[in-house]
Amino acid sequence: KNEVEQSPQNLTAQEGEFITINCSYSVGISALHWLQQHPGGGIVSLFMLSSGKKKHGRLIATINIQEKHSSLHITASHPRDSAVYICAPERFRGSGGGADGLTFGKGTHLIIQP
Amino acid sequence: NAGVMQNPRHLVRRRGQEARLRCSPMKGHSHVYWYRQLPEEGLKFMVYLQKENIIDESGMPKERFSAEFPKEGPSILRIQQVVRGDSAAYFCASSPQAQGAGEQYFGPGTRLTVT
Repeated sequence: KNEVEQSPQNLTAQEGEFITINCSYSVGISALHWLQQHPGGGIVSLFMLSSGKKKHGRLIATINIQEKHSSLHITASHPRDSAVYICAPERFRGSGGGADGLTFGKGTHLIIQP
Repeated sequence: NAGVMQNPRHLVRRRGQEARLRCSPMKGHSHVYWYRQLPEEGLKFMVYLQKENIIDESGMPKERFSAEFPKEGPSILRIQQVVRGDSAAYFCASSPQAQGAGEQYFGPGTRLTVT
């Protein structure tokens, strides 16, 4: 079983729709990052959160530590939001098994059609 | 304030050659992380360094790969005797605080192609 599961893997939506991307993880974490990777390959950090909820513009990220689940929401989606969105839990150092540091989901490929 | 810089952006090497990838962190950042993204795969952590110290290299392949972050100058990821399977995008990120305490800012990546 993967340590990080994202859903959906692919999502196509119309401009203006409300988008939700989900992330479940199985490791102990100190924080969780949401990243955006554009078709050209560049990676932008959207959020780092360890509890509750954060909002930047049309983007909202929430995390439930007890349930080991995080969501990324996009309100009033726009074609420029088309990208791969990656959930990256940050392990506690020494939490056992695998590499410390960020572990990554496989990403959600989002396409917003005009 | 310039962002994280990586060079070269594209690197082509023949099998058996050495590849050197450079990463200059953001000003004031003393923590550097290297990640690899193989074609059609997700990102994977490789190594976490502070100035002159390797903090965590548990994601690095045991052979041919090494990393350093000297007191002066950029962080270097070095791959000796490259093989086709090393073809990937290599990203570095930097942060002003220790792992778990701050956002990481990513560079544009170096795309390594081994022919």
